Amino acid sequence: SQTIHQWPATLVQPVGSPLSLECTVEGTSNPNLYWYRQAAGRGLQLLFYSVGIGQISSEVPQNLSASRPQDRQFILSSKKLLLSDSGFYLCAWSFFRAGGGELFFGEGSRLTVL
Amino acid sequence: SQQGEEDPQALSIQEGENATMNCSYKTSINNLQWYRQNSGRGLVHLILIRSNEREKHSGRLRVTLDTSKKSSSLLITASRAADTASYFCATDAGNQFYFGTGTSLTVIP
Repeated sequence: SQTIHQWPATLVQPVGSPLSLECTVEGTSNPNLYWYRQAAGRGLQLLFYSVGIGQISSEVPQNLSASRPQDRQFILSSKKLLLSDSGFYLCAWSFFRAGGGELFFGEGSRLTVL
Repeated sequence: SQQGEEDPQALSIQEGENATMNCSYKTSINNLQWYRQNSGRGLVHLILIRSNEREKHSGRLRVTLDTSKKSSSLLITASRAADTASYFCATDAGNQFYFGTGTSLTVIP
């Protein structure tokens, strides 16, 4: 069966510090991978998605970046965090197929920028 | 924005009652999905309805889809306290999935 791991679960970072959130998927090959951000009490905003190694699509221009160095590894980064980067970050994966499928989510990483 | 909207934003009902929440979206879709999120956790997939389907059932869940109105509804019958959570609709256009703003459901025992 497939599993998704996301870490760290919680982190508190000062403004201007770097960020690295990591997500790995086990039990499947060539998944589509996603990073979402959820502000407090709000819906999910799609940040990045990837359909293969090194293939990253950005939905929202901002100071965040994503990388996919391996087939089942997805990393969200920032060189300098802003207060507005605070939120709940969710990694998700889906089977690689067009025309529909479901998303499988990790447990999330709660980021507080002070 | 391609994000949809759920209505109502919050819903509070007694255990045993039915809960209905609605979703509106803006663009053409391949399918529409509903997800559940317990507080502080990741989302869990509940049900998927394809664009050529009008109604789908899964246990106590009933989903309808009206592509002409770009809207969907989720009905939870005979609600339980454990159904307390936020519910989101999501649409997909190819590889991208876009979520609505969510309905916060509270089921009072």
